[in-house]
Amino acid sequence: KAGVTQTPRYLIKTRGQQVTLSCSPISGHRSVSWYQQTPGQGLQFLFEYFSETQRNKGNFPGRFSGRQFSNSRSEMNVSTLELGDSALYLCASSFGTGQETQYFGPGTRLLVL
Amino acid sequence: AQTVTQSQPEMSVQEAETVTLSCTYDTSESDYYLFWYKQPPSRQMILVIRQEAYKQQNATENRFSVNFQKAAKSFSLKISDSQLGDAAMYFCAYRPTGNQFYFGTGTSLTVIP
Repeated sequence: KAGVTQTPRYLIKTRGQQVTLSCSPISGHRSVSWYQQTPGQGLQFLFEYFSETQRNKGNFPGRFSGRQFSNSRSEMNVSTLELGDSALYLCASSFGTGQETQYFGPGTRLLVL
Repeated sequence: AQTVTQSQPEMSVQEAETVTLSCTYDTSESDYYLFWYKQPPSRQMILVIRQEAYKQQNATENRFSVNFQKAAKSFSLKISDSQLGDAAMYFCAYRPTGNQFYFGTGTSLTVIP
């Protein structure tokens, strides 16, 4: 099976712009979670989607939003980018929302100038 | 609050030796899973091992094993016969049923030739 894929892998934006990141889960997986990873804050949970519904949400401002499509692919959007949004954004998929293991994609590295 | 604590920001081990990484977690849940993930310099998060809370037997995967102490809420990772390829950031994670993953801040492991 193909693993979790994320596009784009690298992105440079300027303050005030918006960005959309994409994640394709492992085939058959219906749950997708998003994380922000920065050197200072570690791995911070953004949100989790299951069957097109947001199941869990982390403590991030409303500028961060996401959605999931019927094929389980997910997108994450960040509006009005700030310098502090520079980070590695990781997507992870799992079969469901129980105790299943999450499998991670390679990440999208976002740099905000 | 659900928290995961990794008290060792950095660890080092001689090649072929054994090292133990510590992790504690705080929860009032009785049903949950615990995980160790590895993040090498490539930044790809890789599952190392997982433990079901209801199982008393400690999980083992080749050179990796855990010491799960449920009452103490402790979940340490032992790496035997350390190899250069084991050098990475190691994250402990906890997932209660139907809820998000909670990650520790990570332990950076250096393997000395």
